[in-house]
Amino acid sequence: GQNIDQPTEMTATEGAIVQINCTYQTSGFNGLFWYQQHAGEAPTFLSYNVLDGLEEKGRFSSFLSRSKGYSYLLLKELQMKDSASYLCAVMDSNYQLIWGAGTKLIIKP
Amino acid sequence: EADIYQTPRYLVIGTGKKITLECSQTMGHDKMYWYQQDPGMELHLIHYSYGVNSTEKGDLSSESTVSRIRTEHFPLTLESARPSHTSQYLCASSLPGDRNEQFFGPGTRLTVL
Repeated sequence: GQNIDQPTEMTATEGAIVQINCTYQTSGFNGLFWYQQHAGEAPTFLSYNVLDGLEEKGRFSSFLSRSKGYSYLLLKELQMKDSASYLCAVMDSNYQLIWGAGTKLIIKP
Repeated sequence: EADIYQTPRYLVIGTGKKITLECSQTMGHDKMYWYQQDPGMELHLIHYSYGVNSTEKGDLSSESTVSRIRTEHFPLTLESARPSHTSQYLCASSLPGDRNEQFFGPGTRLTVL
């Protein structure tokens, strides 16, 4: 079967750095997405990785290792508004997104 | 900026009622999707469409139907609502090509009593 694993919840301090990990087992791979979802709202796109390596976009970076079935999302200079769930999703061989359950990130002052 | 709309935003109905959740997008995207999401859980694909007159079933398609008569409109219908249908329903659309980045509407929170 297809499976996406990410921690259920993480806590970090305002101004710090946090890394959210995602491991996956899917039938084929055509890219990995990270989305941010605030409570009660729709997911919004953060990043897309299809090749190995690090993609940086402002305070957020995303890393991919296809051979290990592994990705992480790195958030720097954390702000209170970063408190949200972070969803990892993998596009399988049919170009359908397989979603993880999300990691709830709690930011403390 | 993606423009995708869903109505109603909140709906409380009784068991056995037929309901239609509306979704419209103004970007001209060919691909559209319906997801169901319970709190703290992953998104489950209900239905999707590659374009006009195209509809496909996802993992969770039973008891609901969709139609795609116009590019911009992708309504979801529950023929007979049950308490197990209580959930958040998210509509999304995506750009053409392989990247498949999806833009989401604000969602409909459905409660079936």
